[in-house]
Amino acid sequence: KQEVTQIPAALSVPEGENLVLNCSFTDSAIYNLQWFRQDPGKGLTSLLLIQSSQREQTSGRLNASLDKSSGRSTLYIAASQPGDSATYLCAVRPNSGNTPLVFGKGTRLSVIA
Amino acid sequence: GAGVSQSPRYKVAKRGQDVALRCDPISGHVSLFWYQQALGQGPEFLTYFQNEAQLDKSGLPSDRFFAERPEGSVSTLKIQRTQQEDSAVYLCASSPAYTYEQYFGPGTRLTVT
Repeated sequence: KQEVTQIPAALSVPEGENLVLNCSFTDSAIYNLQWFRQDPGKGLTSLLLIQSSQREQTSGRLNASLDKSSGRSTLYIAASQPGDSATYLCAVRPNSGNTPLVFGKGTRLSVIA
Repeated sequence: GAGVSQSPRYKVAKRGQDVALRCDPISGHVSLFWYQQALGQGPEFLTYFQNEAQLDKSGLPSDRFFAERPEGSVSTLKIQRTQQEDSAVYLCASSPAYTYEQYFGPGTRLTVT
């Protein structure tokens, strides 16, 4: 059974710092991996989606990498801002096609002004 | 355009009551997923529809949980005889046939007292 782990569970950094969030998964046979952002009381906003054949994806200050063979992904946030404060969730899609996502528990990020 | 909407946003139920949670997917999206997110946890899969067909209900925790999507659009998740352990945020996601990327609604926070 696929399991997704995110480290750290919580992180507090001063504004302007670069930071890395980690995600690991037990079964490397994944179709793709997705990073989401969740604000309190809100749904999930997709940040980046990496296909299994890709190594990384970038969007603005965000960069996500994928090492499928070792079962790891990282989300890099450059020049963090207070508005980045949220919970970041990592999810893998185990198979091709429209299958359910398997989520980690998330990393709760606080960026202090 | 309009995203995924869910109603009600908040629901308080007394133990033993039945509740019905509604999801309006993005127009034209053929697939619809329900997830349950307990406090401090990542979302966990409940059930999945493709059009009106329920293709996977392996995540439903008990036979008190029932989901339907009779016309292949709006879906309802029903929980009978609610228990305290049912307290969670219930998230709905829809996706189009071609990208499989899931778009999430804001969720319904259910509190059972």
